Amino acid sequence: EDQVTQSPEALRLQEGESSSLNCSYTVSGLRGLFWYRQDPGKGPEFLFTLYSAGEEKEKERLKATLTKKESFLHITAPKPEDSATYLCAVLSNDYKLSFGAGTTVTVRA
Amino acid sequence: DGGITQSPKYLFRKEGQNVTLSCEQNLNHDAMYWYRQDPGQGLRLIYYSQIVNDFQKGDIAEGYSVSREKKESFPLTVTSAQKNPTAFYLCASSISRRGNQPQHFGDGTRLSIL
Repeated sequence: EDQVTQSPEALRLQEGESSSLNCSYTVSGLRGLFWYRQDPGKGPEFLFTLYSAGEEKEKERLKATLTKKESFLHITAPKPEDSATYLCAVLSNDYKLSFGAGTTVTVRA
Repeated sequence: DGGITQSPKYLFRKEGQNVTLSCEQNLNHDAMYWYRQDPGQGLRLIYYSQIVNDFQKGDIAEGYSVSREKKESFPLTVTSAQKNPTAFYLCASSISRRGNQPQHFGDGTRLSIL
């Protein structure tokens, strides 16, 4: 059974304190990995797609990386507006999409 | 603006009642999806549709029904058979029928029991 695990469940950061979120997966072959940001009471907002190990994508203070077994979302010098829940989703070879439970990031000024 | 509109934002269901959640998209996407989000769990797929007049069950379809009569619309009915309907419901669409392109989400409907 496909499994996607995100850690930590919650992360509290001081403004400017860089950190990383982890998404580890066990799937029957990887077709793609997606990162989303979700604000309270809203739907997930698409951030990045990664398709193969070694690939990296960047957007403002966020950088996503991918290995054969996990992905990291690095937040560099975060600001309070980066506070959100970050979700990852993994697409397996049989086109099944599995979501992790998310990491809730709180950035204090 | 192109996007996905879900309505209502909040919905309350009485015992034995069926309720319908609306989802409309103007992105011209072929594929549409319904998910349920519960605290501490990943999104779980209820139903999906890759083309008009066709849809498939997801992982937790029991107690739910859908229709896809128009490309833009994919309503979800939560029937009285769904014994634990309290959750945040999310509709999504994708340009890819196979799922290898990102899904784009609406802002959800929160369903509660009266």
